[in-house]
Amino acid sequence: EVQVVESGGGVVKPGESLRLSCAASGFIFSSYSMSWIRQAPGKGLEWVSSISGDGNYIFYAGSVKGRFTISRDNAENSLSLQMITLRAEDTAVYYCARSISGADFDFWGLGTLVTVSS
Amino acid sequence: DIQMTQSPSSLSASVGDRVTITCRASQGIRNDLAWYQQKPGKAPERLIYAASSLQSGVPSRFSGSGSGTEFTLTVSSLQPEDFATYYCLQHNSFPRTFGQGTKLEIK
Repeated sequence: EVQVVESGGGVVKPGESLRLSCAASGFIFSSYSMSWIRQAPGKGLEWVSSISGDGNYIFYAGSVKGRFTISRDNAENSLSLQMITLRAEDTAVYYCARSISGADFDFWGLGTLVTVSS
Repeated sequence: DIQMTQSPSSLSASVGDRVTITCRASQGIRNDLAWYQQKPGKAPERLIYAASSLQSGVPSRFSGSGSGTEFTLTVSSLQPEDFATYYCLQHNSFPRTFGQGTKLEIK
């Protein structure tokens, strides 16, 4: 059974850092691109970042470029998102999702909530 | 960046109705489009991929069509469990972009 489980969310103050993790199982992790997508409370979906199966290709949304870093460990079947200099507008549920290279997101985790508030 | 304009933003309909949601891309995206359903407090679930291919396990009352810049999601006969929010996604290029969402409510 395919599973992706996010963790690491919490409440932080503006300017602080947080690291999200996504544990994957039930599929050949290295064969899939992985992505982070977020949803602010009551708002729509916003793509954040993607990384290719081999980790060689990485993409970021303009709103997070320079502040967020995506990475993966194929030996551990895990995906991470290091977030620094967090802002109130980064408050959202962060979803981990997989995709075949170049394709859409076929499976999503349940998400982890990040709240940035003073 | 490719903008995805989804309409309507909300829709009120009754069980048994046929409804159509539209997404327009600001430039051609071939058939690199997916549709998702999201229920409150839940993660999105894929309904349609490659513009018109039905995800395994999704009821056949859902269908997608279109190519290039205009796409539609149709539900042929609404069921109570279909009342949710729907999003389109273009995966033709980065940054990936979603439509604004369509909230389908019971009339």
